[in-house]
This record gives sequence, structure tokens and C-alpha cells, in this order.
Amino acid sequence: EVQLVESGGGLVQPGRSLRLSCAASGFTFDDYTMHWVRQAPGKGLEWVSGITWNSGTIGYADSVKGRFTISRDNAKNSLYLQMNSLRVEDTALYYCAKDLYGGRNSDNCFDPWGQGTLVTVSS
Amino acid sequence: DIQMTQSPSSLSASVGDRVTITCRASQSISSYLNWYQQKPGKAPKLLIYAASSLQSGVPSRFSGSGSGTDFTLTISSLQPEDFATFYCQQSYTIPPTFGQGTKLEIK
Repeated sequence: EVQLVESGGGLVQPGRSLRLSCAASGFTFDDYTMHWVRQAPGKGLEWVSGITWNSGTIGYADSVKGRFTISRDNAKNSLYLQMNSLRVEDTALYYCAKDLYGGRNSDNCFDPWGQGTLVTVSS
Repeated sequence: DIQMTQSPSSLSASVGDRVTITCRASQSISSYLNWYQQKPGKAPKLLIYAASSLQSGVPSRFSGSGSGTDFTLTISSLQPEDFATFYCQQSYTIPPTFGQGTKLEIK
């Protein structure tokens, strides 16, 4: 069974940093592009970032570009999101999600999703 | 960025009803359109990918259609467990973008 388990969320002051982790199991991690998608409280879904199987291609939403860094460690079956210069508007539940299909090309279709980790940015 | 617009934003229906939700893209996305279901307090779940392909394990009462800019998600006969929020998402280009969601409530 595919499992994605996020961790690292919490309450942080504006301008500070936080690092999220996603532990993957039940599939060949280094075959898949991986993503972070967030959902502000009571709001819709927003793609944050994605990284291909070999970290060769990385993408970010404009709202986080220059502040967030996605990375992965295939030996540890783990995905990360380093979040710097956090803003109040970054408050959200952050989901880790896997591409539907594996391979060198990203399909940007998210399946499955983890349960999410909550990041609250507040003074 | 490609904008995705869903209608309606909310919908009340009864068990057994046939329900259709529409999604419109701001430019052509071919068939790169996916549908997700999200229940309260849960992560989204993929229902339909590539506009009309049913994800494994999803009941056949769910179906998707469309191409280009206009898409629909249809639930042929609503079941009690179907009441949730539904999102469309384009996977045609980066950044992937979602519709604002359609909340399906019990009448």
C-alpha cells in the first residue's frame, strides 16, 4: 500500500523558517515525480512545488519562488520542503503527493496524497 | 497561468440524483484534466484523470467527459458517501492549477 506521511509543521513567526518532510513507502520512490500542494484553512487547493525523480527538473508556484526549496533523498524515500521567509499567507495544510505514473516525465496528476501537515504563520 | 473555473460553487442534491459539475479552462488543455473528491478533514482523492479515465477503485457511477476547454464530472446516482467537495485540476502545463471547488451537499 502506498503511504505518504508528512511531518514538520507547526506554529512559526513571520519571517522564520520551517522544514517539512514526507516519508514515502509502498512504491519505488525514485521512479516518481513528487509534489507539495497546500490548502489554506477553508480554502481551495494550490500546487506549491514539484520535483522529478532525479531532481533534474524542479518547479515552484510564483507565490513561493525564491523562498521555498523542494528536495528529495531517494536513498531515504523522503521528500522535503524548506520554507524560508514565511508569511502569514503561507498558513495552510501542506500535502505531499505522488505523480500518478512513474517515469522520466511528470504527469502532474496527484495520486495519492498524504494526510497533510499544518503550518501556521503568526506572531 | 491557466485559470480553472468550476460551476456551480455549491449544489444541493438528494440520494439517487444525477449530478453534473462543470469545469472550464481559460485556454485549451486538450484532455489534461483531473477530478478530485475531498471529504471534510481528509486529503483529496483522485477520481478521474485524463478527462475521462476512472481511477482504480472509484465506483463506476462517476464519469468524466470533455476536451479542450470544457469538461464535466457526472455522478449517475448519488450515494450518501458522495457528499463532498470536488475539484478539477489541469495537468497540461506548469503550474498545475485547480478550480475553486464545488461543494455537494445533501438536500
